[in-house]
Amino acid sequence: QQPVQSPQAVILREGEDAVINCSSSKALYSVHWYRQKHGEAPVFLMILLKGGEQKGHEKISASFNEKKQQSSLYLTASQLSYSGTYFCGTESVDSNYQLIWGAGTKLIIKP
Amino acid sequence: EAGVTQFPSHSVIEKGQTVTLRCDPISGHDNLYWYRRVMGKEIKFLLHFVKESKQDESGMPNNRFLAERTGGTYSTLKVQPAELEDSGVYFCASSQDSGLAGRTGELFFGEGSRLTVL
Repeated sequence: QQPVQSPQAVILREGEDAVINCSSSKALYSVHWYRQKHGEAPVFLMILLKGGEQKGHEKISASFNEKKQQSSLYLTASQLSYSGTYFCGTESVDSNYQLIWGAGTKLIIKP
Repeated sequence: EAGVTQFPSHSVIEKGQTVTLRCDPISGHDNLYWYRRVMGKEIKFLLHFVKESKQDESGMPNNRFLAERTGGTYSTLKVQPAELEDSGVYFCASSQDSGLAGRTGELFFGEGSRLTVL
C-alpha cells in the first residue's frame, strides 16, 4: 500500500518554510526522498533509516518517526530552485524492500 | 560521467501496437529498476534487475510486458500489444549497490519515456 503524502501541493514565497509529510500504514525499514523538476529526472535528496541514521544533502532536512511510520521533509528558507514535485518512497519487509512511492507533493516557489 | 539515458523520450502508438523502451544505466551500476507513473499518480515499481538477472518482477502488470537486460548492461522494456491503460511515463533508475543506506541505495533516474497509447 502506497504511502500518503501531504499536502498534495503548496505554493510559497521565496524565503518561506515548507514541510512535506509522508505517512505509511506499514512498518518501515527506510524512507527515501526525491525531487523532480518538470520534464527532468527525479533526483535523490535523502535516505532515512530505521534506527535514526540519516543521509542527505543541500539545505534540506528530514525526520523519521518509526513508531508512527511517518517522515517529514523540511525545506527552510525556500529558494526558487526548490520548486518541483517531491516524492517519498518507503521500504518495508512487505514490499520486499522495493520502494513504494507516494503520489508526490508539488511545490511552487514564487519570487 | 554520463547519467541514465532513456529512449525514446516520447512515443505515441495505437492500441495493439508494440513499443520497446530502452534504458542505459550508469556504467558499473549492477542494479536497474523500471518504474511507471500514470498522470498525477504515484510512481509504481515494475521490476528490478541485478546485473542480468531479474531480482524482483512482482510489479509487472501482466504478460504483455517483457523486460530484458542482456549482458547486464542496457535494458529494454517491451509492451506487446499495448493497451490504453499502459500510457504513462516509464522511468528507469540504476544504483551501484544495495548499499548500507537501506536495501535500495541512492537511485539515479533517467528522464523517462512518455508512452501515449491511442
